[in-house]
Amino acid sequence: SQKIEQNSEALNIQEGKTATLTCNYTNYSPAYLQWYRQDPGRGPVFLLLIRENEKEKRKERLKVTFDTTLKQSLFHITASQPADSATYLCALRNAGNNRKLIWGLGTSLAVNP
Amino acid sequence: DGGITQSPKYLFRKEGQNVTLSCEQNLNHDAMYWYRQDPGQGLRLIYYSQIVNDFQKGDIAEGYSVSREKKESFPLTVTSAQKNPTAFYLCASSIRVYQETQYFGPGTRLLVL
Repeated sequence: SQKIEQNSEALNIQEGKTATLTCNYTNYSPAYLQWYRQDPGRGPVFLLLIRENEKEKRKERLKVTFDTTLKQSLFHITASQPADSATYLCALRNAGNNRKLIWGLGTSLAVNP
Repeated sequence: DGGITQSPKYLFRKEGQNVTLSCEQNLNHDAMYWYRQDPGQGLRLIYYSQIVNDFQKGDIAEGYSVSREKKESFPLTVTSAQKNPTAFYLCASSIRVYQETQYFGPGTRLLVL
């Protein structure tokens, strides 16, 4: 069956450390994968997109990697800050005819001062 | 100030009532979407619209209806046929239906009394 999975357990890290979140998928052929941030009671906000032929993307303190062999994307926040505390969602766009976005459940990140 | 607005932020419905959730965007986007978010589940697509006067069912359209009479507006009606309507409803838009980035509104939380 087709699945997209993120760490179900909340991630707690110390301020200044690097947070690494994982998104794994099964039986999809992603055209691209996106990462969004969602704060409690708010709508998701787009952060980064990485395409199937890209290995890595960066934006300020954020970095996304994409390994189509492992069927995995990693999302890194370097020099983390308490303001980075939120839920992070991954979403993939499947290649082919059914091109709707498939969403993961999200991973909750808490950065402790 | 461009973006997507949803109203109201909280909505209470009595059993047997239809309620309509508002979604307006001033981003000049062609595509608009309605998602439902429940604890422990990823975002699920209810309906989407590629262009004015067109809309398509998503994965969980039963008990919902939409209209797209204006480019800016995509209201969602939760009918009495929806058996479990209590959820967080998110409206989103994108430049075109398969364009990568989706922009979300702040959401409406619907509670059934």
